[in-house]
This record gives sequence, structure tokens and C-alpha cells, in this order.
Amino acid sequence: QLQLQESGPGLVKPSETLSLTCTASGGSISNRHYFWGWIRQPPGKGLEWLGSIYYDGATYYNASLNSRVTISVDTSKNQFSLKLTSVTAADTAVYYCARQGQTVGRMSWFDPWGQGALVTVSS
Amino acid sequence: QSALTQPASVSGSPGQSITISCTGTSSDVGSYDLVSWYQHHPGKAPKLMIYEVTKLSSGVSNRFSGSKSGITASLTISGLQAEDEADYYCCSYAGSSTLVFGGGTKLTVL
Repeated sequence: QLQLQESGPGLVKPSETLSLTCTASGGSISNRHYFWGWIRQPPGKGLEWLGSIYYDGATYYNASLNSRVTISVDTSKNQFSLKLTSVTAADTAVYYCARQGQTVGRMSWFDPWGQGALVTVSS
Repeated sequence: QSALTQPASVSGSPGQSITISCTGTSSDVGSYDLVSWYQHHPGKAPKLMIYEVTKLSSGVSNRFSGSKSGITASLTISGLQAEDEADYYCCSYAGSSTLVFGGGTKLTVL
């Protein structure tokens, strides 16, 4: 059964780059039936889709993040990663990674999700 | 794109049925049958409940069901149980390889 685990620094300084990695076990990132996504939840707020990646490296991003997001994949390590540049306190959130299904080539549901990683932006 | 609109909170007594709405636009919910619903207990990973508007995720109780009419999708929970108390989020494909979530609904079981 596929499991996902986020890892990375829990504290990032303002204006610096947030970096997180999602490691998959029990399944392959190279499975062409799925996309792989990042979602976040700021304290007291709802979920926000950040972006997704296909095993071949094709990426899709939430335009509201103004090109600050980069997602990459390392199939040799069965991992995919998130980088968010120029962070501010507003980027403080729990960050989740998840496998994404697709229907007729369009991104669809998220399942399963990782447990989430709290990242705080503070000096 | 703007977040899908969900009621901030709903409540119901054990055994009752409740419905959570998720209103989008003709560019997302209204155009694609790619709405999914998630149950989120604080501190835990969100759980997929419904996908592609009406399909029940594996292992999820058939007390949960989904539907859509126009630009509004709905999640119905019948036979409400205490364990159903959680936050619920809808999500829709929004075209051009993008996705949008709803603002979330807190379900209270009285």
C-alpha cells in the first residue's frame, strides 16, 4: 500500500526558500497512471493546491503563487520535491504531498496523502 | 481561480442526514465531473471520500454520497455518527491543468 512522507526544515526565514521532499514507499512514482501533488493548509484556513507533477517531469502550478513554486521529481529515489521561494509569514502552513488520480488525462482526486509537515516562516 | 464556496459550518444529530454544498462556476464544477470530497480530522491526513462527483472511495461507508447540479456539487452524509465530525473539503478540476479547493465546512455532530 502506497505511503507518502514529507520531510524538510520546519523553520524557514522570511525571503528564503522553503524546500520539502515527499518520499513514496509501497509504490512507484514512475507509475504513469498518476500525478503527484502538493497541497498546503495555513493555520485556521482551508486547503490550497500548490501544484502537481507527472513522472516525466511535466509540471502544473497554481498561478496565484506568482511563479514562486517549483516541483521536481527524482524517480531514482522515488521522491518528488517542492520549492517555494521568497517566503513570508503567509506561507506558514502544513504542507501535504499526495498521489493524484487522473481521468481522461485530467488531474483528479488526491489519495493517499502524507501526514503533513508544518513549516513556519519566521526570523 | 477563486476558491469554491462551501458553508462554514453545518450540524446535525446522530442518525440524521446532512448535506454540504460546494458552489463553483461554469469554468470548474459546472464544466467537469471531476469533483472530489475530503474528510479532515485535525492533525491527521485528509481522506478521500468521494471522487468524480459520485464515486465512493474504497473503504468509505455508503452513508456518504455525492451529487452535482449545474455549478453546485453536494456531499450528503446519512445516518450521522459521532465519528463523522470533521472538516470537509470539496475540490474540482478547473481547466488548463489546474485544481481548486473549497474553503471547507466544519461538521458538528450534536
